[in-house]
Amino acid sequence: QLQLQESGPGLVKPSETLSLTCTVSGVPISSNTYYYWGWIRQPPGKGLEWIGTIYYSGSTYYNPSLKSRVTLFVDTSKNQFSLELSSVTAADTAVYYCASQAGFGSGIYFDYWGQGTLVTVSS
Amino acid sequence: DIQMTQSPSSLSASVGDRVTITCRASQSISSYLSWYQQKPGKAPNLLIYTASSLQSGVPSRFSGSGSGTDFTLTISSLQPEDFATYYCQQSYSTPLTFGGGTKVEIK
Repeated sequence: QLQLQESGPGLVKPSETLSLTCTVSGVPISSNTYYYWGWIRQPPGKGLEWIGTIYYSGSTYYNPSLKSRVTLFVDTSKNQFSLELSSVTAADTAVYYCASQAGFGSGIYFDYWGQGTLVTVSS
Repeated sequence: DIQMTQSPSSLSASVGDRVTITCRASQSISSYLSWYQQKPGKAPNLLIYTASSLQSGVPSRFSGSGSGTDFTLTISSLQPEDFATYYCQQSYSTPLTFGGGTKVEIK
């Protein structure tokens, strides 16, 4: 059974960099079934926003609204993928989810999710 | 970006009711639409993908239909555990975008 778990600081100061890691268990991060991995966030009381997706080989796809501040990377040796979001403001306060991205072509969807981690941006 | 608009934003229903939630895309997205259920404090849970395919383990009272710009999620007989917020998501093009959500509450 595929499981994902987010980890990282719950409090980040404005203008600093938010860093989160997602640890995947149950399948290799470069398996022939799951090899795309995504980040989604949800501000308190609001809807869902896709941040970006990374292929196990390192290819990335970012939301243009965040592209200038986001970096995704993968560590296959640790079965982890990570998110860095720079120059954060209070607007980046949200629950951050990692998820496995299934399907192919345009028929893609997120079928397994981590429990989510709340990151608050505050001094 | 493709905008996804859900209606209604909230609804009240009773156990046993048939419930329909609508999602409209700002342009044609073929059948590249998924539906998720989210309960308070929990991660979203995939219900439907490619508009009408039921995710493994999801009860058959959930169904999805539509193509192009108009889609529906139907719960044939609402159960107590179905009270939650539902989101649609398009994958026709990046950025992947979600609808604003529909909260299903107990009448």
